[in-house]
Amino acid sequence: NAGVTQTPKFQVLKTGQSMTLQCAQDMNHEYMSWYRQDPGMGLRLIHYSVGAGITDQGEVPNGYNVSRSTTEDFPLRLLSAAPSQTSVYFCASSYGEEQFFGPGTRLTVL
Amino acid sequence: AQSVTQPDIHITVSEGASLELRCNYSYGATPYLFWYVQSPGQGLQLLLKYFSGDTLVQGIKGFEAEFKRSQSSFNLRKPSVHWSDAAEYFCAVENTGFQKLVFGTGTRLLVSP
Repeated sequence: NAGVTQTPKFQVLKTGQSMTLQCAQDMNHEYMSWYRQDPGMGLRLIHYSVGAGITDQGEVPNGYNVSRSTTEDFPLRLLSAAPSQTSVYFCASSYGEEQFFGPGTRLTVL
Repeated sequence: AQSVTQPDIHITVSEGASLELRCNYSYGATPYLFWYVQSPGQGLQLLLKYFSGDTLVQGIKGFEAEFKRSQSSFNLRKPSVHWSDAAEYFCAVENTGFQKLVFGTGTRLLVSP
């Protein structure tokens, strides 16, 4: 099993550009989530999904969209990137109480 | 709202010395508690977790943690630190509403020779 995979590993955007961060898992987990990690702030939940077709907001959802059309994939969309979205983004999936994290995407918005 | 406090931003420990990383949480009931480790440039790896039962839990890599309800604490310990333990450590509590983790701000561990 590959576990949780994220692409790309690194990305640089200009303010106002859009992009999608990809996340996939091959463990057939129903629950998936997106976190962002900023220095001195730990990880904060952006959006999560409890199954295909069901998503909800986390602690810091503004500026991000998600959808869940399949169990395997949970992409995170930035419609108009802002410098405040410069961060490291982690995707996670879980079936029980343990969450499995992907390797992260480091995003810089200029 | 639930919150997690890790009061130490950085800790330096000599190789072979013991380690204790502090974690305090604010939660209305007995929470699910976790410790994760993040090596530089890597994702998060689960070290150990507490759900119920024995308040001393064992994890991977020789780590253990003790849940103390009276102190709202879940401190991580290791009796003898290795240079490879240098990393950032995050304490987390499961928020109500199904597997939503609330993380502390992390403690960066430095290991000196």
